[in-house]
Amino acid sequence: DVQLLESGGTLVQPGGSLRLSCAASGVTFDNYAMAWVRQSPVKGLEWVSAISASGGVTYYPDSVKGRFFISRDNFRKILYLQMESLRVDDTAIYFCAMMSGAGFADLHLHSWGQGTLVRVSS
Amino acid sequence: SYELRQPPSVSVSPGQTARITCSGDALPKQYACWYQQKPGQAPVLVIKKDSERPSGIPDRFAGSTSGTTVFLTISGVQAEDEGDYFCQSADRNGTYWVFGGGTRLTVL
Repeated sequence: DVQLLESGGTLVQPGGSLRLSCAASGVTFDNYAMAWVRQSPVKGLEWVSAISASGGVTYYPDSVKGRFFISRDNFRKILYLQMESLRVDDTAIYFCAMMSGAGFADLHLHSWGQGTLVRVSS
Repeated sequence: SYELRQPPSVSVSPGQTARITCSGDALPKQYACWYQQKPGQAPVLVIKKDSERPSGIPDRFAGSTSGTTVFLTISGVQAEDEGDYFCQSADRNGTYWVFGGGTRLTVL
């Protein structure tokens, strides 16, 4: 079974930086595109970023473009999200999730981690 | 931007059929999928590519489409089906990837 375990969530001040990690097991990690999705009571579920299996193609919505950066280490089977210039409205649970193929042809997320809480507050 | 619209809540008695809608202008062109989420848990994929059921999902869950609306139908609803349901898709050009606002299914 696929297991995805996020870490790195914590309390950070506005304007600060944070790096989230997601360790994968039970799967051929480099066969699948990966994504970060966040959830908050105010905004609901929201795509944060996605990266192709090779790492060569990425996706960011306008809300995080230029502030968040996704990367992956296929040898260590770890997905990362580097978050810069954090804002109060970035407060959310951040989920790591696995897409169905190597690219973005199908956007459904077939496996999810349990999430890590990021709180942005002074 | 692009939006998917869902009703905030649906209520149904055990054994009855629940139908949850998700509306979006690009749905005739883009696949949709559905997730179930229970309190304190991560979402679980229950329908992909409009109507395909992933392995392990009971056959009482079904997806269908009609024009700009996709439907999640749960037949013979059980108490364990209570939770939040989210649709997901993209705009016509695949530029905006979005989730619906979610529908809370209450089993009376």
